[in-house]
Amino acid sequence: QVTLKESGPALVKPTQTLTLTCSFSGFSLSTSGMRVNWIRQPPGKALEWLARIGWDDAKLYTTSLKTRLTISKDTSKNQVVLTMTDMDPVDTATYYCARSYSTYGSDYWGQGTLVTVSS
Amino acid sequence: QSVLTQPPSASGTPGQRVTISCSGGSSNIVSNYVDWYQQLPGTAPKLLIYRNDQRPSGVPGRFSGSKSGTSASLAISGLRSEDEADYYCATWDDSLGGQVFGGGTKLTVL
Repeated sequence: QVTLKESGPALVKPTQTLTLTCSFSGFSLSTSGMRVNWIRQPPGKALEWLARIGWDDAKLYTTSLKTRLTISKDTSKNQVVLTMTDMDPVDTATYYCARSYSTYGSDYWGQGTLVTVSS
Repeated sequence: QSVLTQPPSASGTPGQRVTISCSGGSSNIVSNYVDWYQQLPGTAPKLLIYRNDQRPSGVPGRFSGSKSGTSASLAISGLRSEDEADYYCATWDDSLGGQVFGGGTKLTVL
């Protein structure tokens, strides 16, 4: 059974760095073609893809936030970590991690974690 | 402003067939697979269609996807009240080097 769960602070202050952890089970990120993505959704708005990391440690970031994002993985712990620097109130959103395998879409998602940026 | 354009809303009555469009361009839809996601209120998105027209196991046959040129479509036949949700298209964009989502379509079952 594949599960993913996001964890991190619910509240961060402007200019702080956000660190989110995606803990997963039921699959291995060392399997060829496997990837974990981070997607966010501001309240009442659309989904926005942020970053992904693959079985081969290949990392990709959305162009608009590339300078602020870092994604990493710990295969032994079955975790993927996303850090976002210089947080701003516009970054208030529910952050999801999701598994994707090759080009088969993101088939498993975490429940999401709401992060509010406020002083 | 999303790279992929979806109508903000759609509606239908129970039993009807509804289609939701997703318009893109040569760097995204034309050259890459399109996925569709359903997001029920207060829940995480769920993969509905992958690789343009493939249904994951467990997704009813009432849902179907298609792609032609720079556009893709999601069709829902035999509309049911539980289909009321937000629907998002997604694909890869070769120019941006990342995944892109449409702005979402809110489906109302009247």
